[in-house]
Amino acid sequence: EPEVTQTPSHQVTQMGQEVILRCVPISNHLYFYWYRQILGQKVEFLVSFYNNEISEKSEIFDDQFSVERPDGSNFTLKIRSTKLEDSAMYFCASSPSGYEQYFGPGTRLTVT
Amino acid sequence: KQEVTQIPAALSVPEGENLVLNCSFTDSAIYNLQWFRQDPGKGLTSLLLIQSSQREQTSGRLNASLDKSSGRSTLYIAASQPGDSATYLCAVRQRTSGTYKYIFGTGTRLKVLA
Repeated sequence: EPEVTQTPSHQVTQMGQEVILRCVPISNHLYFYWYRQILGQKVEFLVSFYNNEISEKSEIFDDQFSVERPDGSNFTLKIRSTKLEDSAMYFCASSPSGYEQYFGPGTRLTVT
Repeated sequence: KQEVTQIPAALSVPEGENLVLNCSFTDSAIYNLQWFRQDPGKGLTSLLLIQSSQREQTSGRLNASLDKSSGRSTLYIAASQPGDSATYLCAVRQRTSGTYKYIFGTGTRLKVLA
């Protein structure tokens, strides 16, 4: 069964460094999403992407964040200058219709 | 501001019991509500999605209901099994200030004892 994949599973970076989290959505899905979950807290919506542009974003998704679909299969989340508070589990999701979403296993980002 | 609350925070039941998980939200202007399952260290698995115009959805042993006017949804699990042990999250999709938001509850940690 097709599934969303994410790499790496764990990323450790130093404060101020740029990181790129990668996701491969399910083939033929059209809607793509990023969420994050700080340890012990709720899952938070970051951004959704459709037709090669951001369609929705939350207050969390500030200028430090960007998303890109560099080719037909990858969907990336870039954090330009990481902060300690960016440490979290980042989940990618995709959807064929914009309603039901299929999530990847997540990337654990640790900023030291 | 939309707040999504899930009660109880944790639940432990013997195998075979039927159980109900609760989700409440403060703003009834939602587009849909989705129930997810999260296993430790893993991603989210979508269980059921209820559109705002629907009252319930069923999938196997799971049944989810939605009462928008009272701001409540329940997830009913029939004949629980140890494999059902996980954290169950509900999330509402809402539009505010021109931006759609997906707002999650804090979850209910379920443990089904063999």
